[in-house]
Amino acid sequence: QKEVEQNSGPLSVPEGAIASLNCTYSDRGSQSFFWYRQYSGKSPELIMSIYSNGDKEDGRFTAQLNKASQYVSLLIRDSQPSDSATYLCAVKMNTGFQKLVFGTGTRLLVSP
Amino acid sequence: SAVISQKPSRDICQRGTSLTIQCQVDSQVTMMFWYRQQPGQSLTLIATANQGSEATYESGFVIDKFPISRPNLTFSTLTVSNMSPEDSSIYLCSVVGDAYEQYFGPGTRLTVT
Repeated sequence: QKEVEQNSGPLSVPEGAIASLNCTYSDRGSQSFFWYRQYSGKSPELIMSIYSNGDKEDGRFTAQLNKASQYVSLLIRDSQPSDSATYLCAVKMNTGFQKLVFGTGTRLLVSP
Repeated sequence: SAVISQKPSRDICQRGTSLTIQCQVDSQVTMMFWYRQQPGQSLTLIATANQGSEATYESGFVIDKFPISRPNLTFSTLTVSNMSPEDSSIYLCSVVGDAYEQYFGPGTRLTVT
């Protein structure tokens, strides 16, 4: 089992719809979770962090965490073509070090 | 968040040669990381660079191939040695924020011919 798993996609949604991106992780002791957006040819950009169970909202983005199910998700409301990118889930494992483990990313395509 | 710059932004190199990539941060940071992102793949951690100590390498990466320097709290270099086409990747440095989040530099796109 991979440490952090994501569906590679592509996930295709029409403009204005809600895009739902999912991520599961293997280390039950993990405490910190991050979503990055990466446009083609660019470096990853941090868009959300979440540390406790439940929802965390920031503008059109909502991160959801369920530690019991070892599941974290990212919802993008009112999706725009500019949201088309690869979304990387990253988890800080419970190792005592500050390194992150990244999923393989989900490619999101938002069509006008 | 910190402002991170990398040099060069891209390079095309001959096999068998070496390239040193620089990472500069606008504030002092304890930990810096170096990643590789091969075409169409996710990020793979190469090593963790702490100021004043030897870099810690991940499984599959060795110091002879990827020597790292960390002379102060704002600067680090990664050298890709004796390059082969398989080393063609984007190389990224990152720094850690206050809550374990990481911020990435713009990357160095390396092509080895």
